[in-house]
Amino acid sequence: DAKTTQPPSMDCAEGRAANLPCNHSTISGNEYVYWYRQIHSQGPQYIIHGLKNNETNEMASLIITEDRKSSTLILPHATLRDTAVYYCIVRVPTSGTYKYIFGTGTRLKVLA
Amino acid sequence: NAGVTQTPKFRILKIGQSMTLQCAQDMNHNYMYWYRQDPGMGLKLIYYSVGAGITDKGEVPNGYNVSRSTTEDFPLRLELAAPSQTSVYFCASSYSTSHEQYFGPGTRLTVT
Repeated sequence: DAKTTQPPSMDCAEGRAANLPCNHSTISGNEYVYWYRQIHSQGPQYIIHGLKNNETNEMASLIITEDRKSSTLILPHATLRDTAVYYCIVRVPTSGTYKYIFGTGTRLKVLA
Repeated sequence: NAGVTQTPKFRILKIGQSMTLQCAQDMNHNYMYWYRQDPGMGLKLIYYSVGAGITDKGEVPNGYNVSRSTTEDFPLRLELAAPSQTSVYFCASSYSTSHEQYFGPGTRLTVT
């Protein structure tokens, strides 16, 4: 019942923008898209989230298509420390709270 | 703040043994979660809690139990360990349903 589809791996040159795509064609109107990353099997780290508008913070930008069926995470100037597995997640309601539906992630390798 | 802490970091169990994975947070978060991550996969929700005394099942609760007697602690109990429970277990917490989740460093469990 995965709700997101991501490419398994990507490479990016250091200093260039990394654009990580995610397909979530079955997303419902009230379900948010979250992005987390996981470095060296550590606990996942929050990056950004959005519903339908584009979002930007100090780490990244999130571009969501108008039909909300896909999104792109942009790391504007990738560094070697950005090498990680990036998860695109749909947050769905469950009794009393929300739960994250993780996909299998994209392994981003930033090359020197 | 220590954030979310988990103990132990590693554990090897024999089939049929039981153990408790400990999770604590010092951020006064009401919401806490347990996930498991199998090799090459995203995280799957085992159990969650929306506050002290309240717990509920996630996607993969079979073979596990939880309790939440205090805001700070959310232990996960494995009864009758099975090889299928070999995984990395992550605990997480959040201030509210609309805030991001903070993850602990994980417990790597092997059942042989």
